[in-house]
Amino acid sequence: NAGVTQTPKFQVLKTGQSMTLQCAQDMNHNSMYWYRQDPGMGLRLIYYSASEGTTDKGEVPNGYNVSRLNKREFSLRLESAAPSQTSVYFCASSPDRWDYEQYFGPGTRLTVT
Amino acid sequence: AQSVTQPDIHITVSEGASLELRCNYSYGATPYLFWYVQSPGQGLQLLLKYFSGDTLVQGIKGFEAEFKRSQSSFNLRKPSVHWSDAAEYFCAVGTPTTGNQFYFGTGTSLTVIP
Repeated sequence: NAGVTQTPKFQVLKTGQSMTLQCAQDMNHNSMYWYRQDPGMGLRLIYYSASEGTTDKGEVPNGYNVSRLNKREFSLRLESAAPSQTSVYFCASSPDRWDYEQYFGPGTRLTVT
Repeated sequence: AQSVTQPDIHITVSEGASLELRCNYSYGATPYLFWYVQSPGQGLQLLLKYFSGDTLVQGIKGFEAEFKRSQSSFNLRKPSVHWSDAAEYFCAVGTPTTGNQFYFGTGTSLTVIP
């Protein structure tokens, strides 16, 4: 039982490049989330998926897109990376949207130069 | 608007000393309250949660937290800190009656000295 897994662990991009962060969970959870963590700002919700087939914007969605590929997988895409997107990205899942008890992956550290 | 405040950015305690980390929230109704811990280079782990009922909740690793409605607070405590408790601690609030949102505080970094 791996819980929530994220790939890659580290990534360096040049401004304007694109990439997709992958997230998968094996807990049969309905809801999945993408957060970014910046120094002094805590975690901020980018997008979430309350259930398979649905996605919604969070607090800071600009510059990102998401895909809920199936119940297990939820990817985050940066179409044209900017230095302001340098951050640590966390994926999380919970049994359902109303549950709140979220389980986090180990994070992806992204640097955009 | 709802918000979560952790007024202490960084706290240093001696090993074996007691610990209290503060968390205040702004929300019109009773929120769902959480404390998470993040060890260096790791994701977040849930320490404890409060939804309703007894206002003193017990969590993992010997932590407890008390919900005080009159003070809009949910402070985290531990009677005797261990060196392995050094980490970043996040308070979080869920708003079950207003948009069902979930907000994190900015975190408190704990250093434990021998």
